[in-house]
Amino acid sequence: GQNIDQPTEMTATEGAIVQINCTYQTSGFNGLFWYQQHAGEAPTFLSYNVLDGLEEKGRFSSFLSRSKGYSYLLLKELQMKDSASYLCAVRKVNDYKLSFGAGTTVTVRA
Amino acid sequence: EAGVAQSPRYKIIEKRQSVAFWCNPISGHATLYWYQQILGQGPKLLIQFQNNGVVDDSQLPKDRFSAERLKGVDSTLKIQPAKLEDSAVYLCASSPEQGYAFFGQGTRLTVV
Repeated sequence: GQNIDQPTEMTATEGAIVQINCTYQTSGFNGLFWYQQHAGEAPTFLSYNVLDGLEEKGRFSSFLSRSKGYSYLLLKELQMKDSASYLCAVRKVNDYKLSFGAGTTVTVRA
Repeated sequence: EAGVAQSPRYKIIEKRQSVAFWCNPISGHATLYWYQQILGQGPKLLIQFQNNGVVDDSQLPKDRFSAERLKGVDSTLKIQPAKLEDSAVYLCASSPEQGYAFFGQGTRLTVV
């Protein structure tokens, strides 16, 4: 199976930076995904890492270390609309099974 | 590009009744997933199809849940009979072989 761990909740101030960590254990790794989910809505894709290193996309960046089974999502210049749950997901090679962590609820305060 | 379509959006049933959910994935996406998301938790994979074949259904409660994907396109997920603990949002997602998964809006099921 796949064990995916991420913090339950984080709170930050508008304009600040927040880093959400995700650790995983899996056999046959084929990529790590971050999704954003606002309350009552479906998850939407944010970023994807399959090789080690940092992927930057506007205010959001995601980092992966395959040897450590570790990723983080960095949210910069936080806005109120960034208040949401952030889901870390791992995909397996061959069967493309996509498993999610429990999600991290980020609350942005003024 | 049209997204993943799901229906109904909401459903309230009594325990021991049956219910079915429908999903139409994005055209050309070979992989289709059904997830169960209980309030405050991450999505839990119930079943994964590759075209019309089942890739993984290890977490599907097969005594009450069933799913099929006809002709490798649309899919239905059925619960019979429903229990109170089945109250959740049922999310359908589809993906191309190497891309990321797109999610539908989900069906919110309440079992009373």
